[in-house]
Amino acid sequence: AQSVAQPEDQVNVAEGNPLTVKCTYSVSGNPYLFWYVQYPNRGLQFLLKYITGDNLVKGSYGFEAEFNKSQTSFHLKKPSALVSDSALYFCAVRDVRNRLAFGKGNQVVVIP
Amino acid sequence: DTGVSQDPRHKITKRGQNVTFRCDPISEHNRLYWYRQTLGQGPEFLTYFQNEAQLEKSRLLSDRFSAERPKGSFSTLEIQRTEQGDSAMYLCASSLVPEDTDTQYFGPGTRLTVL
Repeated sequence: AQSVAQPEDQVNVAEGNPLTVKCTYSVSGNPYLFWYVQYPNRGLQFLLKYITGDNLVKGSYGFEAEFNKSQTSFHLKKPSALVSDSALYFCAVRDVRNRLAFGKGNQVVVIP
Repeated sequence: DTGVSQDPRHKITKRGQNVTFRCDPISEHNRLYWYRQTLGQGPEFLTYFQNEAQLEKSRLLSDRFSAERPKGSFSTLEIQRTEQGDSAMYLCASSLVPEDTDTQYFGPGTRLTVL
């Protein structure tokens, strides 16, 4: 079965510093990978996806993610974190039946 | 706002009661998904529709749960004889196939509390 793992529960980063949120995946076949962000009492907002092509994917709000096949990783990155980036981030993988399987999420706290 | 909408946003009910949630997808989106998210966890897939046809159901969807999309537009999710374990956020998402099969756009969710 397709799955993703987000090894850290919480990521703390100072405002202005680079932000990285880690995700590793396990799939059979080609991976279809996604990042979503969730603010308190809100639904999930789509950030970016990797389907095929360039390993560096650019998304919304200055986020990008790097697909690494050899390490089976799809880490989310932002060069300079903002306080408003504090939220819950989910990595997900799509299976052949179009279902998304999500990780448990990472709470990101950006410290002013 | 042309995003996915869900109603109600919050529902408190007593154990044993029936509840129904509604989801309105993005206009023209032909796929509609339901997920459930419990505290501290990522969303878990429940079911999805292609137009009015229900194509996939998770084992999480017990016989107390039923979902419909009668006209291929909005969808309802009903839970009968609610249990405390049903307390969760119920999320709806939609997508457009084949133009953008891969991206699911989520609504704000309905938070269910079963007392």
